Amino acid sequence: GENVEQHPSTLSVQEGDSAVIKCTYSDSASNYFPWYKQELGKRPQLIIDIRSNVGEKKDQRIAVTLNKTAKHFSLHITETQPEDSAVYFCAASNSGAGSYQLTFGKGTKLSVIP
Amino acid sequence: ETGVTQTPRHLVMGMTNKKSLKCEQHLGHNAMYWYKQSAKKPLELMFVYSLEERVENNSVPSRFSPECPNSSHLFLHLHTLQPEDSALYLCASSQDARVYNEQFFGPGTRLTVL
Repeated sequence: GENVEQHPSTLSVQEGDSAVIKCTYSDSASNYFPWYKQELGKRPQLIIDIRSNVGEKKDQRIAVTLNKTAKHFSLHITETQPEDSAVYFCAASNSGAGSYQLTFGKGTKLSVIP
Repeated sequence: ETGVTQTPRHLVMGMTNKKSLKCEQHLGHNAMYWYKQSAKKPLELMFVYSLEERVENNSVPSRFSPECPNSSHLFLHLHTLQPEDSALYLCASSQDARVYNEQFFGPGTRLTVL
């Protein structure tokens, strides 16, 4: 089955700096890569996703890049703000037995220091 | 209430108890999911239902028994659990389990098994 590795597990940045979180996946058939943000005590929420026919996608301060050859994808947050502090999960999706399953990474706890 | 709701939010049970977790989605989605979230581990997919039919069962012990009476409701019946089953149990829904699209999570049930 799919295996997703996520690094780093914790990340601290100064407000205004950039943050980068990296993930690798094992199944070359995976073709959908969402990122979820989970604030303390709250539910995970999708912040951005990318599909395998695209190499990069941007939404304001957030961008995701995908390298299918190397099987890795990254989340980039620019001009970080304290409200960006949360746990971020990457995921990879493959279709097993007719349904799309998400395999998640272990998460990265991002702390933005004011 | 809108979105995905879960009850109870917190549950403490002994190993011999029987309890049920409830999830309800108000989004008109056709797919529902149960995930287990443990500390320092990835979100683990447990079950997937598409149009009330179970399409995935990821080697989950039989002490967890799901039920999906209709596309808006999902239950997880628990019996003779172990302390290592203590975790946050998250329900999610999406428009369709057969194509990749956003999964909307509920707030979770924090389960403690004594």
